[in-house]
Amino acid sequence: DAKTTQPPSMDCAEGRAANLPCNHSTISGNEYVYWYRQIHSQGPQYIIHGLKNNETNEMASLIITEDRKSSTLILPHATLRDTAVYYCIVRVLNTGNQFYFGTGTSLTVIP
Amino acid sequence: DTEVTQTPKHLVMGMTNKKSLKCEQHMGHRAMYWYKQKAKKPPELMFVYSYEKLSINESVPSRFSPECPNSSLLNLHLHALQPEDSALYLCASSQEGGTASRGPQHFGDGTRLSIL
Repeated sequence: DAKTTQPPSMDCAEGRAANLPCNHSTISGNEYVYWYRQIHSQGPQYIIHGLKNNETNEMASLIITEDRKSSTLILPHATLRDTAVYYCIVRVLNTGNQFYFGTGTSLTVIP
Repeated sequence: DTEVTQTPKHLVMGMTNKKSLKCEQHMGHRAMYWYKQKAKKPPELMFVYSYEKLSINESVPSRFSPECPNSSLLNLHLHALQPEDSALYLCASSQEGGTASRGPQHFGDGTRLSIL
């Protein structure tokens, strides 16, 4: 079963910051939070991941609350090409390396 | 461009056919995965290979048979599929072992399979 909860859809104006929330209230201490996105007809694309500290890369920033029960993916200046389904995933750590996708958030960037 | 290559991109087959999906990566990853994705749904994990050995089978029907002939290749053999098996089949790979096992998975763009 999915261990994350995300809003089904969001809109964002082009050029503005897109803030995508994710709840993972049952996360364990050694589980990482990953974010992927999937543009129509393509495979999922890795964006960012983190354990408990905030993370930033060239694509996005990841803010994780102190209790680690939720996180927010921030796309600082959304473009039309950021329109996609965004998945928040909690990584189960064992030798199998399972990845379980939640239902995701469909982000539409509006011109 | 994706670093995980899947062929074919599209496949139409009858219920009595036998076909194979192929996946290739040259990133030195030792974990490889098959996912199934139905329209407007998230990907569902099917199989995980670790160091060319099957480590996870998510109760997938035997009409799907995975194979990992070497560290760069992953196959999914298909036989006697049902119409409900029509979906996008995604392959992924990742590093394996220690902190590297917490690294990201890299996905191919999938094979879109239609069962007639």
